[in-house]
Amino acid sequence: DIQVTQSPPTLSASVGDRVTITCRASPSIGNWMAWYQQKPGKAPNLLIYKTSSLKSGVPSRFSGSGSGTEFSLTISSLQPDDFATYYCQQYYTFGQGTKLEIK
Amino acid sequence: EAQLVESGGGLVKPGGSLRLSCAASGFTFSNAWMTWVRQAPGKGLEWVGRIKSNSDGGTSEYAAPVKGRFTFSRDDSNNTLYLQMNSLKTEDTAVYYCATDCSGGSCYGGYFDFWGQGTLVTVSS
Repeated sequence: DIQVTQSPPTLSASVGDRVTITCRASPSIGNWMAWYQQKPGKAPNLLIYKTSSLKSGVPSRFSGSGSGTEFSLTISSLQPDDFATYYCQQYYTFGQGTKLEIK
Repeated sequence: EAQLVESGGGLVKPGGSLRLSCAASGFTFSNAWMTWVRQAPGKGLEWVGRIKSNSDGGTSEYAAPVKGRFTFSRDDSNNTLYLQMNSLKTEDTAVYYCATDCSGGSCYGGYFDFWGQGTLVTVSS
């Protein structure tokens, strides 16, 4: 089975900060990772697919990178609307989630 | 744009059954692979399984915790996806989401593009 380990579980940051969330996949069976944003009481929303492709309508401050076993989501300059929980996903496995909180 | 609307959730006793529906619009449902994802209260996302398009065989894959108890089906004439849940357990309590599944067919990349708003299933005596 694929295991996806996401870190950190929580992240405190301020508006304007640059933040990075990381996922490690084991074993390495593909080069694609997807990233989702979820706000309380809402469905997840796809942000990034195929590791680095930005879904239409998603702000360009979001970016994805990585290959092999390590992948990351970066938000270049946090906006108030970005405080939410983020999940990575590879095949049928989701990461544990990262809750991005206001510092 | 694609829209998915789940329904059918509610309170059911352990050992009971429930059928969820997911009504699709805004895209060619018959060509789409579809996935179910659930989220227990306060927990993360868990993939439940997927059903391929009928043109790709119409077969289903199930996550281990639900295999043998849950069944996916689809009615392409009515653009509706179904999840039949039998022998329900308290640990099946969750919000259930349907989503379009870009893992094959006309869409590759292994991601879930459009999601419904979810429907809550509570299994409790």
